[in-house]
Amino acid sequence: AQSVTQPDIHITVSEGASLELRCNYSYGATPYLFWYVQSPGQGLQLLLKYFSGDTLVQGIKGFEAEFKRSQSSFNLRKPSVHWSDAAEYFCAVALNNNDMRFGAGTRLTVKP
Amino acid sequence: EPEVTQTPSHQVTQMGQEVILRCVPISNHLYFYWYRQILGQKVEFLVSFYNNEISEKSEIFDDQFSVERPDGSNFTLKIRSTKLEDSAMYFCASSFGLGETQYFGPGTRLLVL
Repeated sequence: AQSVTQPDIHITVSEGASLELRCNYSYGATPYLFWYVQSPGQGLQLLLKYFSGDTLVQGIKGFEAEFKRSQSSFNLRKPSVHWSDAAEYFCAVALNNNDMRFGAGTRLTVKP
Repeated sequence: EPEVTQTPSHQVTQMGQEVILRCVPISNHLYFYWYRQILGQKVEFLVSFYNNEISEKSEIFDDQFSVERPDGSNFTLKIRSTKLEDSAMYFCASSFGLGETQYFGPGTRLLVL
């Protein structure tokens, strides 16, 4: 069955520390891959996306993600987290960007 | 920067009532979508719309739901007879084409009492 898994429901990191949020997918073919961020009471903002080409994708706000076909993963990283990064992060996949499936989300808390 | 807008931001309704959620997609976008997020759960795809017809819909999008593009700018989601379990945040999104990024609106929080 097609699925998107974010194994970590909640992650806490200290400000300035590095961050990695995990995302795994199960699809028959390589889908389009996305990371969105949702701040409390806000909509979904696109951080970055992978369609094809270079497997290391740079996004906004200093985020990057790496597509690893062998692991069916698309993990989100940031070298140094800021307090304003506290939010909910969603990995999403789509076979043709017409029907986007979201993971359950990872809530990020940033400690001072 | 152009953005997707949604109205109202919050809506409270009685069970069994009809609600219409409104969205104004980005003006040159051709594909339109509705998603919902029940509190504490994942964002779920409801429906996509292109060229004045539904192109994809999920199993959630049953006969009580309908979508419409009544004019050149608005895209609406109607829930005919709301149920308690329809309480959720409803997000509209739009994209220029297939394979293009979907841009999301801020959402409408619907509460069915």
